[in-house]
Amino acid sequence: EDQVTQSPEALRLQEGESSSLNCSYTVSGLRGLFWYRQDPGKGPEFLFTLYSAGEEKEKERLKATLTKKESFLHITAPKPEDSATYLCAVQRDSNYQLIWGAGTKLIIKP
Amino acid sequence: GEEVAQTPKHLVRGEGQKAKLYCAPIKGHSYVFWYQQVLKNEFKFLISFQNENVFDETGMPKERFSAKCLPNSPCSLEIQATKLEDSAVYFCASSQSDAGSGYTFGSGTRLTVV
Repeated sequence: EDQVTQSPEALRLQEGESSSLNCSYTVSGLRGLFWYRQDPGKGPEFLFTLYSAGEEKEKERLKATLTKKESFLHITAPKPEDSATYLCAVQRDSNYQLIWGAGTKLIIKP
Repeated sequence: GEEVAQTPKHLVRGEGQKAKLYCAPIKGHSYVFWYQQVLKNEFKFLISFQNENVFDETGMPKERFSAKCLPNSPCSLEIQATKLEDSAVYFCASSQSDAGSGYTFGSGTRLTVV
């Protein structure tokens, strides 16, 4: 069964304290892996798409990496405005559905 | 515009009543997706459209849910005879192609069935 598992469920960091979020997946055929950020009361905001193992993408303090079984979202020197829920989703190559993880709630304390 | 517009933001219905949600995708985006988000961030795929044609409806509870994307009109998601378990936030997303560049999501419609 296709599945996406994110860990940890919640992560509290001090401002400037770097860390990583994990997204483990099993999917019959991977078209792409997506990272989104969701703020309370809003829709998910697209961050990255990764297509193949070894690929990396960066945006400001965020860097996403991909292996055949998992993806990491590394956050370097985070600021309070990085506080949000970070969602990972995989897209099957048989259709365009996204299979979502439950998210990691990230809280950055000043 | 460059945003996906969903209306209404909030909708309250008594059990058994009809609910209709609307989504205006970004102009030029040919794919539209509906997702249901329940507790603990769980997103469930409902249906997708390529232009006005249903692309994938494998997630739709067909007995009570229906959806349309007609030319020159907002897309719609309709729930007949709502049940308590339909309470959720319904998100619409659009993309230019098959979403390699990422979907753009609307802000969602929060449906509360009482």
